[in-house]
Amino acid sequence: DAGVIQSPRHEVTEMGQEVTLRCKPISGHNSLFWYRQTMMRGLELLIYFNNNVPIDDSGMPEDRFSAKMPNASFSTLKIQPSEPRDSAVYFCASSLLGRDQPQHFGDGTRLSIL
Amino acid sequence: AQSVAQPEDQVNVAEGNPLTVKCTYSVSGNPYLFWYVQYPNRGLQFLLKYITGDNLVKGSYGFEAEFNKSQTSFHLKKPSALVSDSALYFCAVGGGADGLTFGKGTHLIIQP
Repeated sequence: DAGVIQSPRHEVTEMGQEVTLRCKPISGHNSLFWYRQTMMRGLELLIYFNNNVPIDDSGMPEDRFSAKMPNASFSTLKIQPSEPRDSAVYFCASSLLGRDQPQHFGDGTRLSIL
Repeated sequence: AQSVAQPEDQVNVAEGNPLTVKCTYSVSGNPYLFWYVQYPNRGLQFLLKYITGDNLVKGSYGFEAEFNKSQTSFHLKKPSALVSDSALYFCAVGGGADGLTFGKGTHLIIQP
């Protein structure tokens, strides 16, 4: 059974460019989460969706960040314009509905903004 | 607001010895508690969870965790450490109004 699939695995781009990160959740999962991991701040929840609807985006750093989930099998996280301080590893995770359900993580996108 | 604390940035254990990685939590209501492991360049992997019932929870790779309500703790344990257990371990708590809250992580280093 395929896990959560993220693409690309690595992204290097210059500041000011638009960056789009992609995620395919596990089939049948109803919740999807985007996280950011840095050495300084650890693991931060950016936004999560239930049944394709954004529930809590309070962790999104600023208006430069946006996330969409057009259907149950695909989500994007977009940064426009990108800045060097956005450099981090971005993880997508999915789970069944319910606070007692474990989240399943993809292997992340390592983003470097020059 | 809910929170979780992992008081040790790093834990060093000799191979074959028992290991403990500590976690304490704060949440209003009944907690849902999780442990995850992260290997280099990989995403977090679910190890085990406590929702209700027996205070000793068994999980993957021989790990277990003990829920202690009076001490608000959920320490991760393994009777005999392997070098391959070396990784970054995260405790997480849910069940309050917020989603899942992760700790800062503890680096576990198993020395041969």
